[in-house]
Amino acid sequence: SQQGEEDPQALSIQEGENATMNCSYKTSINNLQWYRQNSGRGLVHLILIRSNEREKHSGRLRVTLDTSKKSSSLLITASRAADTASYFCATDLRGANSKLTFGKGITLSVRP
Amino acid sequence: KAGVTQTPRYLIKTRGQQVTLSCSPISGHRSVSWYQQTPGQGLQFLFEYFSETQRNKGNFPGRFSGRQFSNSRSEMNVSTLELGDSALYLCASSLLAGPYNEQFFGPGTRLTVL
Repeated sequence: SQQGEEDPQALSIQEGENATMNCSYKTSINNLQWYRQNSGRGLVHLILIRSNEREKHSGRLRVTLDTSKKSSSLLITASRAADTASYFCATDLRGANSKLTFGKGITLSVRP
Repeated sequence: KAGVTQTPRYLIKTRGQQVTLSCSPISGHRSVSWYQQTPGQGLQFLFEYFSETQRNKGNFPGRFSGRQFSNSRSEMNVSTLELGDSALYLCASSLLAGPYNEQFFGPGTRLTVL
């Protein structure tokens, strides 16, 4: 079963706009990670945020984590056509047999 | 540093056959995890190996097995292939065991079962 559920499932924006993607999860976590996947290829790690952190930045990426709402958001500012990809959140469940559990992903299309 | 490599990149098999996929982690990484990705089920964890020992296993039938060698290279084997095994198989390596660290993914092996 999916622990992380991303929202929306698909997002289409114009180059230069910001893209916001959300991830909700069901049980307590140790950390949450965001990954990007370009069409049918391997995943690329974007950012890891620990359960005791609320916000993290990396270049044009900003991730927030709200453990009380069991949700995270990934913001990509000033999007580029090269940001077109699928984005996944992955959670590491607290107390469970530790492994990463991925959501089904968000397909982001950035129109030039 | 070279990235994670997976061989072969593409594979076509028929039902009932078996297949072995290979993964070479980034130099120095001792943990290798395997995932299956399908349009219907998404990314699902298969197993993780660390220092030649299976550390964790997902909810897959016994037809799926793996191993890790002393040089950290890993193989996964699927026996008695079924149509539903068609998927992109991804391996990921990390420096340490467990999901607490960044995982570096290979490009995947796309398996088609006819």
